[in-house]
Formats: sequence, structure tokens, C-alpha cells
Amino acid sequence: QSALTQPPSASGSPGQSVTISCTGTSSDIGRYNYVSWYQQHAGKSPKLMIFEVNERPSGVPDRFSGSKSGNTASLTVSGLQVEDEADYYCSSLAGGHTVIFGGGTKVTVL
Amino acid sequence: EVLLVESGGDLVQPGRSLKLSCVGSGFTFDDFALYWVRQLPGKGLEWVSGISWNGDVTGYADSVKGRFFVSRDNAKNSLYLQMSSLRLEDTALYYCAKDSSYGVGNEAFDLWGQGTMVTVSS
Repeated sequence: QSALTQPPSASGSPGQSVTISCTGTSSDIGRYNYVSWYQQHAGKSPKLMIFEVNERPSGVPDRFSGSKSGNTASLTVSGLQVEDEADYYCSSLAGGHTVIFGGGTKVTVL
Repeated sequence: EVLLVESGGDLVQPGRSLKLSCVGSGFTFDDFALYWVRQLPGKGLEWVSGISWNGDVTGYADSVKGRFFVSRDNAKNSLYLQMSSLRLEDTALYYCAKDSSYGVGNEAFDLWGQGTMVTVSS
């Protein structure tokens, strides 16, 4: 159960787009379409932003989108806004009724 | 209001046991799988355990397998995590979380509690 691999940081100016990658293996991301993304602001509980690779929960802006190719999933934030500055985590079903998270990516809005 | 509220976190010595609780409200508790996720201080998220809507199916991270036990009491809208043989590396903020999909679930957590802090120290 090794953690999914995310870049530690990403940044962009307001209005720009930023894409975060999340790399797993053929036993997790590559096998299941149960990839989720979470946003966590400092001192707050995580918030679900994307589920089942590319589905958005009600209330999440359509600036947030998800995709997957092979063993790598991605989260794209378009039209970056100041309030998007946060930590982002990916997760995936990993078989055997287990879930693994990525190490997290800190997004900075310049 | 839809809520999950954890309790039971404490300062405990290595090797001892502790039981966490999580009470849900504002939703049909027994329709959803539930999970425990922890966050070490200043670090990322780590999935700990999950349990199906009816308690029949459970899963554990390798790091806690054989030491932690998850259970639920749907009559009390409650989720539990019995932790034993606690180690220094179990020190973390423990969140309970709810699956976003009815029944079988999709391992996406759409409702989180505020967390309860467990500190393992001598």
C-alpha cells in the first residue's frame, strides 16, 4: 500500500489553469475508476471536489475537472481564483476494500 | 444539518488502547459506508479503515491491520474505531467520513467530521 505520487507543489496566477498529477499503479488507479480529489484549506477538514475520476459533487464549480489515463489521474483547476489556494489530495480504491491517498499538492495562487 | 462528530481522542501511552466514536446526523446513517482517515501533524491524509453500510465488510490499512478494529451501531448512528497496541506513529488527527454513494459505495468521502486528536506518547 504505497501512497499515490503527487507533486509537492503547483502554482499559477489568477485566471490561469493548473493541473495536478496523481500517479499510481495497475492495482489502483489503473484498475478502478474510483479516483477522488479533495481540497483542504489550512485548519479545515477535507472537501470532496471530484469523485469517480471526473464527476463533480453538487456545489463544486465546473472550474474543477478530473481525468485519468492509464495509471495516472489528473485534476485541473481552470480560471484559478485566490480561494483555490489549498492542499489537494487524490485517492483511489486499491482493492481488498482499501483506499490509498496521494501525498498531497500545495497549490499557490501567485 | 448533516454532521459527523468524532470523540474519544486523548493522550495515551505506547502499547495502550483507545476507542474513538463518531456520531452521524442529518442523513440516513445505515445507507452509507463509513471510513476513518487520519492526518499526522503537518502531514498528508492516510486512509485507516472502512466499513460497509451493514457492517459486513471491513478494510484496514496495512499500518493498522491486526491492531485496529472498526465497527458500527446503526441503531445509534455511531461508528467506532477500537485502537490497541498504540504506537508513537499513530499520533494523528482522526477523521470519520461518509461515502458519497448509497449501498456499495464509491470510496469517495463527501462528509467529514472535524476530527479528534490522538497523541501517543510516554
